[in-house]
Amino acid sequence: DTEVTQTPKHLVMGMTNKKSLKCEQHMGHRAMYWYKQKAKKPPELMFVYSYEKLSINESVPSRFSPECPNSSLLNLHLHALQPEDSALYLCASSQGTGGINIQYFGAGTRLSVL
Amino acid sequence: KNQVEQSPQSLIILEGKNCTLQCNYTVSPFSNLRWYKQDTGRGPVSLTIMTFSENTKSNGRYTATLDADTKQSSLHITASQLSDSASYICVVSGGSNDYKLSFGAGTTVTVRA
Repeated sequence: DTEVTQTPKHLVMGMTNKKSLKCEQHMGHRAMYWYKQKAKKPPELMFVYSYEKLSINESVPSRFSPECPNSSLLNLHLHALQPEDSALYLCASSQGTGGINIQYFGAGTRLSVL
Repeated sequence: KNQVEQSPQSLIILEGKNCTLQCNYTVSPFSNLRWYKQDTGRGPVSLTIMTFSENTKSNGRYTATLDADTKQSSLHITASQLSDSASYICVVSGGSNDYKLSFGAGTTVTVRA
């Protein structure tokens, strides 16, 4: 099973709403990632978790708050987003964070901020 | 400055024909190079991964090549099918942070019947 599952597939929210994106993998991977992808652009790394601890924050605004409840789950909490935050949010996982580790991506959550 | 450049930006081919996509990179030190296929609105799916010592790797009708000396890679699609219509992204791992992938902007391939 090489599946990374993301929910919901689509999300529409207002600028005052609080919502969460969820990501789950059962491959025993110890590294998990959040990416943001705008249309026709490559994914941009947001956060990296290694062994359930946040190891990398790519200077992401605090309105995005990641959480890793356990080794299989990764959440992204959203609060007071802006319309420019509308994008495809991708979760990925890999065995480790270095070298040859292949990142497996989920199908993404399409987020629209009104 | 993007350290991974892909060409062409887009191409249209007829079903059954072959095509080749190019990727040039400047990421250093180099760890590995991957080609991903991304359907519209979906997450990228890994096609191939190559390290410094590998020159070619195949995955069905997809064949990737790597010249680590010239820092160039290509992805060849043989006997294209309608389902090959997607964006193909060249991704290089290495540099000062091995965890951070350098993504190309992708080549959009459209296969027409």
